[in-house]
Amino acid sequence: DGGITQSPKYLFRKEGQNVTLSCEQNLNHDAMYWYRQDPGQGLRLIYYSQIVNDFQKGDIAEGYSVSREKKESFPLTVTSAQKNPTAFYLCASSIDLGSVKEQFFGPGTRLTVL
Amino acid sequence: AQSVTQLGSHVSVSEGALVLLRCNYSSSVPPYLFWYVQYPNQGLQLLLKYTTGATLVKGINGFEAEFKKSETSFHLTKPSAHMSDAAEYFCAVSDYSDYKLSFGAGTTVTVRA
Repeated sequence: DGGITQSPKYLFRKEGQNVTLSCEQNLNHDAMYWYRQDPGQGLRLIYYSQIVNDFQKGDIAEGYSVSREKKESFPLTVTSAQKNPTAFYLCASSIDLGSVKEQFFGPGTRLTVL
Repeated sequence: AQSVTQLGSHVSVSEGALVLLRCNYSSSVPPYLFWYVQYPNQGLQLLLKYTTGATLVKGINGFEAEFKKSETSFHLTKPSAHMSDAAEYFCAVSDYSDYKLSFGAGTTVTVRA
């Protein structure tokens, strides 16, 4: 079955540590996205990538970094510079930038800073 | 940039009653419009989408939405609520030139037996 996988489902981090969230898709989609979800705020875009080896900042990129070395993978690193990292993180992908931008979502990773 | 307003952060309905979730967007041209559903601790699942053509769009699980350009609205309805409809619902919009989605803050639906 095609889809998007995110791991781990739950992640605990001590203050001052960097952590990396995994996102893998086997849908052969070109574009991938990372969102942060906080209660009552909807989804906010962190980073997105249109193609391998290229990515752009979204609305709340500070304290985060990404890479896109493979079409299938778009890992997100939450750095120690992110002041309030506790949140639910969602990865998404879409098939083609020129068409309807329907995005498919992974199951999410819940990050808690201890 | 697009903005999306979902009126009402929480909606409570009785089982069998009408579900109505409101969504308004800001755009000078007709955008692409989406409704997603999210169950607790899960990702988002597409309910339905409007691109072009018929303004009344039917989706999964008995939901439908109507695009009204004059009102810049895309309200979601379901004639008869089921307990399994309890979830959070998000309206999202993108325009022709932008591959990013702008999401509303979400509406949580509870269904009373």
